[in-house]
Amino acid sequence: DVKVTQSSRYLVKRTGEKVFLECVQDMDHENMFWYRQDPGLGLRLIYFSYDVKMKEKGDIPEGYSVSREKKERFSLILESASTNQTSMYLCASSQVGGGRPYEQYFGPGTRLTVT
Amino acid sequence: QKEVEQNSGPLSVPEGAIASLNCTYSDRGSQSFFWYRQYSGKSPELIMFIYSNGDKEDGRFTAQLNKASQYVSLLIRDSQPSDSATYLCAGFFGGAQKLVFGQGTRLTINP
Repeated sequence: DVKVTQSSRYLVKRTGEKVFLECVQDMDHENMFWYRQDPGLGLRLIYFSYDVKMKEKGDIPEGYSVSREKKERFSLILESASTNQTSMYLCASSQVGGGRPYEQYFGPGTRLTVT
Repeated sequence: QKEVEQNSGPLSVPEGAIASLNCTYSDRGSQSFFWYRQYSGKSPELIMFIYSNGDKEDGRFTAQLNKASQYVSLLIRDSQPSDSATYLCAGFFGGAQKLVFGQGTRLTINP
């Protein structure tokens, strides 16, 4: 079974703090993704990575950065947390190959509250 | 901008009936679609994947793709209260392995 884990289920941070969200997958997947999910807005892609040290901006990268130093680990960094970054953050991973899309497997999510 | 649109609902269906969930997309180049189910407080899980025109059946679930009309649907037969969840439609638009998600449709099955 594919397993994607995230470092925290719930997190409360203060405005201006630097926040690290960690994601680890155990299936040797090349692709990893960070989304945020807000009511009425669905899943929005923040960043994704298709290989170690490789990253690409998603639809809403402002205020975020990422790091992928090892294949199994993908970190999302909020450089200076703001209240509008209060959200559910979901990490996902998928394999690649054969010119076809593959299922994304999601972690349990981190509900971040910035006060 | 590639878009996937869903009616956010809520959609209410009596137990045992067919639930029909719809999704439209803006890019004719999209080839493949995923349907995910998300229970409240949980992460999305894959139900169906479809990339060919027509129907694909898996148990009580049928995915339908019509590329000419640019819509994809999910039918749930013999709906059960345990099917109550938000259903997310996602399109693959080629290139990098990214999915574009719709807003999700909240489905409630009434006993």
